[in-house]
Amino acid sequence: EIVLTQSPGTLSLSPGERATLSCRASQSVSSSLAWYQQKPGQAPRLLVYAASNRATGIPARFSGSGSGTDFTLTISSLEPEDFAVYYCHQRGGWPRTFGQGTKVEVK
Amino acid sequence: EVQLLESGGDLVQPGGSLRLSCAGSGFPFSAYAMSWVRQAPGKGLEWVSSIAGDGGSTHYTDSVKGRFTISRDNSNNALFLQMSSLRAEDAAIYYCARHGNGGFHDCWGQGTLVTVSS
Repeated sequence: EIVLTQSPGTLSLSPGERATLSCRASQSVSSSLAWYQQKPGQAPRLLVYAASNRATGIPARFSGSGSGTDFTLTISSLEPEDFAVYYCHQRGGWPRTFGQGTKVEVK
Repeated sequence: EVQLLESGGDLVQPGGSLRLSCAGSGFPFSAYAMSWVRQAPGKGLEWVSSIAGDGGSTHYTDSVKGRFTISRDNSNNALFLQMSSLRAEDAAIYYCARHGNGGFHDCWGQGTLVTVSS
């Protein structure tokens, strides 16, 4: 099983600041990695797929990078609606797995 | 508009069975692989099972193999998860999700709650 480890567990930032979230895979998943955002009481929403492609309707302030085992989601300037939990997810091998999540909270 | 709507969640006793359904609309259902993903209360996301668009290929996470069965009825745009021998650790919100962009889950339902308790 491919284990995805996200860091940090919690990120305390202010609106307008830059957020950098990390996801490390226990073995290479090539570019088969996505990022999701989840707000309380809501289903997850796809932000970035195939490591660096923004999903439909996702603002340009969200960007993904990386390949192999190390991936990053960057939010260039946090908006109030960006405070949420973010998960990485791999489909490079079975079983599919998710990271444990990074919570981005208001400082 | 692409929509997924789950149903079937309920309170069930340990060892019991339950069948979840997911109705898809607004897209050619048979063209898309589908998955079930669950989230225990206050916890993270866990992939449970996936099925190809034609139903010919299925995959499961180890903890549900032999207990859960994923299936689909493309003529009625429906996805199912038959769950048996339910355990306390199966309690969660179950989401159905479409495999869209790059095979990732680009559309999710609102979830259905499964509670396992005596």
